Parts: sequence; C-alpha cells; structure tokens
Amino acid sequence: DTAVSQTPKYLVTQMGNDKSIKCEQNLGHDTMYWYKQDSKKFLKIMFSYNNKELIINETVPNRFSPKSPDKAHLNLHINSLELGDSAVYFCASSQDSGATTDTQYFGPGTRLTVL
Amino acid sequence: RKEVEQDPGPFNVPEGATVAFNCTYSNSASQSFFWYRQDCRKEPKLLMSVYSSGNEDGRFTAQLNRASQYISLLIRDSKLSDSATYLCVVNTYNTDKLIFGTGTRLQVFP
Repeated sequence: DTAVSQTPKYLVTQMGNDKSIKCEQNLGHDTMYWYKQDSKKFLKIMFSYNNKELIINETVPNRFSPKSPDKAHLNLHINSLELGDSAVYFCASSQDSGATTDTQYFGPGTRLTVL
Repeated sequence: RKEVEQDPGPFNVPEGATVAFNCTYSNSASQSFFWYRQDCRKEPKLLMSVYSSGNEDGRFTAQLNRASQYISLLIRDSKLSDSATYLCVVNTYNTDKLIFGTGTRLQVFP
C-alpha cells in the first residue's frame, strides 16, 4: 500500500505553461509538505499545511500555489513555468506539526522538466 | 554559510569496511537531528534520529556534539545495499521545517 503518492511521476512541459502536481497520503497524518530538490540534489521545503491550513510558506515565487482540499491531499499548481522550475518535487507528510521528532514520510517524487 | 553542511563525497569503500560521515549545522537553536537515506532517483527515507547521548541501530551509530554543532554517522561492516546518499537533517525547536544537507554519497564495492 502506498503511504504517500504523487501524480504524475514525470512531467515534461514547455515554458509558460501551467501545470499541477497532486499528492495524497493515506496515513491519517495532519501535516503535509512540498519540497523541491534541484539538480544539485539540494532538498528545500516550499510549503507546509496542517489540517488544510498553511503554516510554512518559504520564499517561493507566487507562481507556485498549494491547495489542500482536505488533510489527506495537498496539490501544487505552478503558473507560467520557467526553465529554473525543472527539479524533482517531493510531497511529504507527518503526524503532527510543531512536533520536532515526527518522522516525515516522502512520496516518490515528481520529476518536472521545463523545455 | 549553509545551515547544514556535509562533505558530498563520494566515499568509495569495500564491503565490510567501516565508514563515517560528519555534518555541521549553523543554528545553535537546532533541536532535533536525523539521518535520512536517499537512493538514486528515489525519495528520502528516515534512517535514524540522533539523540544527545548517541544511539545505535544495528550497524549504524549516530552521535551528536552540541558544543561543536556537528553530527556523525558511522556505518560498520558496509554492505553493497548501503550504497546511497546520506542526508543530514536538522529541525529547529517548535517548527516543522526540516533543513537538509546536500548529502554524502556512499558507494560500497565488492
């Protein structure tokens, strides 16, 4: 059973397009995250939601808009894609927020390539 | 200065060898520490948490030195399956924000 799933796994698109990545977790966790891992393998948090409420919003261009329809889902919509957006995007979830020892479980990643 | 720094490697070691990775962090308010493992083209997975007194999980031993702000991971009796990138991860008190190092790549050869 997949705990944290993401779709699509691969996404190739042209500059200027708008695209969405979906994430779902079946762990019953309260908190979900989006991370970006660039070509240098640096993994950096972008957003975090707890029970559908945004709690972390790092310095990310406003072309990126997360949406959480319920606590099991956190989608990422990207407008006007740029070459620099090419990366692997990981969704993750954890039981609680503010609990520094909670394990975060990662999805398999979405490899986005902008041409 | 990066918040979490690691030697990127690669560390190339034969099976059965002992290998150690270090990691330094810049924020003295950091509260929780972890090692995650990431296989090629896969997601990161928690390997182990790091406790103040040091802790061991089978062949893996993690140590924390708060005074010097560094964390270490020791792998004994390396296996081929240990080949991966090991990510040092730090969490500041009362936030959900995990700060990842760029990882240290380990390659174990027969």
